[in-house]
Amino acid sequence: QITLKESGPTLVKPTQTLTLTCSFSGFSLNTPGVGVGWVRQPPGKALEWLAFICWDDDKRYSPSLESRLTIIKDTSKNQVVLVMTNMDPVDTATYYCARSAGPPESRLYHFDYWGQGTLLTVSS
Amino acid sequence: DIVMTQSPDSLAVSLGERATINCKSSQSVLYSSNNENYLAWYQHKPGQPPKVLIHWASTRESGVPDRFSGSGSGTDFTLTIGSLQAEDVAVYYCQQYYTTPLTFGGGTKVEIK
Repeated sequence: QITLKESGPTLVKPTQTLTLTCSFSGFSLNTPGVGVGWVRQPPGKALEWLAFICWDDDKRYSPSLESRLTIIKDTSKNQVVLVMTNMDPVDTATYYCARSAGPPESRLYHFDYWGQGTLLTVSS
Repeated sequence: DIVMTQSPDSLAVSLGERATINCKSSQSVLYSSNNENYLAWYQHKPGQPPKVLIHWASTRESGVPDRFSGSGSGTDFTLTIGSLQAEDVAVYYCQQYYTTPLTFGGGTKVEIK
């Protein structure tokens, strides 16, 4: 059974750094073709992709947020961590982590399993 | 970036009737080497994570009712709900995974008329 779960603070202040952890089970990020991504949804708005990390440590970022984002995997703990610096109230959103998997030659696939999401508020 | 444009923004359909959602990409998401369209459809209900319904533009995910179908190729895609049920009330998103940045459409809210 594949599960993912996001954890992190529910409230951060503007300018602070956010660290979110995605803990997963039922699959390995050592397996070729597997990746984990982060997607967020501000209240009342559409889904927005943030970052993605592949089994071979290939990392991809949203160009609009790349300067603020770092994604790291810890395969021994089955975790993926997303760090976002200089938080702003516009970053208030539900943050999801999700898995993708397929033949390694393509690298990018749809997200087939998602965590429940964690609601983050950025406010002073 | 590949821009995904969905239409309509919302639609209200009677129970048992057909719902059709369109998605247009700003460039082709058809990968010539494998002839696959890198396009997925998700259903998103309040308080729940998105759920993938369709991938490769027309491949239904395991367990998804067959009233959901996807079609299209290149830049124009459609999600059809063949006979709308009450539990289908949700926001539906298309997403391209042809290249990064991965991009989603703006969403289509489906309601019961």
